[in-house]
Amino acid sequence: QAVVTQEPSLTVSPGGTVTLTCGSSTGPVARGHYPYWVQQKPGQAPRTLIHDISTKHSWTPARFSGSLLGGKAALTLSGAQPEDEAEYFCLLSYGGVRVFGGGTKLTVL
Amino acid sequence: QLQLQESGPGLVKPSETLSLTCTVSGGSITMSSYHWGWVRQPPGKGLEWIGSIHYSGSTYDNPSLKSRVTISVDTPGNKFSLRLSSVTAADTAVYYCGRLEKYWGQGTLVIVSS
Repeated sequence: QAVVTQEPSLTVSPGGTVTLTCGSSTGPVARGHYPYWVQQKPGQAPRTLIHDISTKHSWTPARFSGSLLGGKAALTLSGAQPEDEAEYFCLLSYGGVRVFGGGTKLTVL
Repeated sequence: QLQLQESGPGLVKPSETLSLTCTVSGGSITMSSYHWGWVRQPPGKGLEWIGSIHYSGSTYDNPSLKSRVTISVDTPGNKFSLRLSSVTAADTAVYYCGRLEKYWGQGTLVIVSS
């Protein structure tokens, strides 16, 4: 089974910019992996911020954006806010079978 | 706006079968070409994708769960279900259902213990 890799932890200053990445053990992440980015705050259910690389929902703050970057899926946060402190999971599809990354704990400090 | 609610026993004995149902409200389970899925999260750990089903009945599941997973759909009842057989303490987790590109349930804690 494929392994999806994420940075275990990142720190960003309030108002700063940070990029979280999501790699695949099988090779470059591509459009056909339909990357999702899922945010989870302590004690809460996850919620999907972005799906299919870059498609946002009505609840997704404009400061979040998704892309493919250097063979990985990427989630960029521009203008970090304290409420963005959370764990972020990426989810990749391998022909319908999906695999989560281990998550990135983002600290806004 | 779709809402999803997990239901089922919160305590399951080792070696028995865990059964959960996800009831969808606010829209039809047949309304979309997306799959409906199950995810779990052991205490203090990350998310694990369990499997998914389309309303037509086609399924995908996590090969690491070694065929213990059965996912089924009840379109008249607007719900889908998860069965996980031969459970052990390692299956203790919060179980979430969802249409993962957009909708998640609130999750239900299942403890495996005698």
